[in-house]
Amino acid sequence: DAGVTQSPTHLIKTRGQQVTLRCSPKSGHDTVSWYQQALGQGPQFIFQYYEEEERQRGNFPDRFSGHQFPNYSSELNVNALLLGDSALYLCASRRQDLEQYFGPGTRLTVT
Amino acid sequence: AQSVTQLGSHVSVSEGALVLLRCNYSSSVPPYLFWYVQYPNQGLQLLLKYTSAATLVKGINGFEAEFKKSETSFHLTKPSAHMSDAAEYFCAVGYQERYSSASKIIFGSGTRLSIRP
Repeated sequence: DAGVTQSPTHLIKTRGQQVTLRCSPKSGHDTVSWYQQALGQGPQFIFQYYEEEERQRGNFPDRFSGHQFPNYSSELNVNALLLGDSALYLCASRRQDLEQYFGPGTRLTVT
Repeated sequence: AQSVTQLGSHVSVSEGALVLLRCNYSSSVPPYLFWYVQYPNQGLQLLLKYTSAATLVKGINGFEAEFKKSETSFHLTKPSAHMSDAAEYFCAVGYQERYSSASKIIFGSGTRLSIRP
């Protein structure tokens, strides 16, 4: 049983560009959350998707947007990249309870 | 509002010694509490969780945590540290919106555990 998978593993972008990160949830999971983890800090909640809708959002600007597909996979889009967007982006999935399973993350570097 | 405070950004213990990582939480509703471990360049792995059942929770790799409501604490312990325990540990509080499926987990800033030979 594959766990949560994320792609790509690493990527480097330039300020002002746009980026799309992808996540496939653990089998049987229907809810996907995205987190940003800056270096040396704990993960910060970006938003959560369920039934293809954004259900809850953290304190992130509108430059951060997402999507969930009918197969429960999800994308995180970030527009107009800033240097401060450099971080590890984690995807997590769950079913009924609050236990979330995390993927390995995508390391985004903005130069 | 929910929040988590981890006391000590870095803890160092000798191999075989007791591990104690401190976590205090704030929650306006009965909390769900978690400890996660993160090894370098990896995602987060759940160590254990408290969901209002037994106050002493046993997790993987010999870790356990005790929920103390009066102290709003959820400290993580392990009787005997092993070199492989060296990692970053995160305490987290979670809650679910009452009338929706929305949920959120709020993480502490983490504690880096080092093990001395």
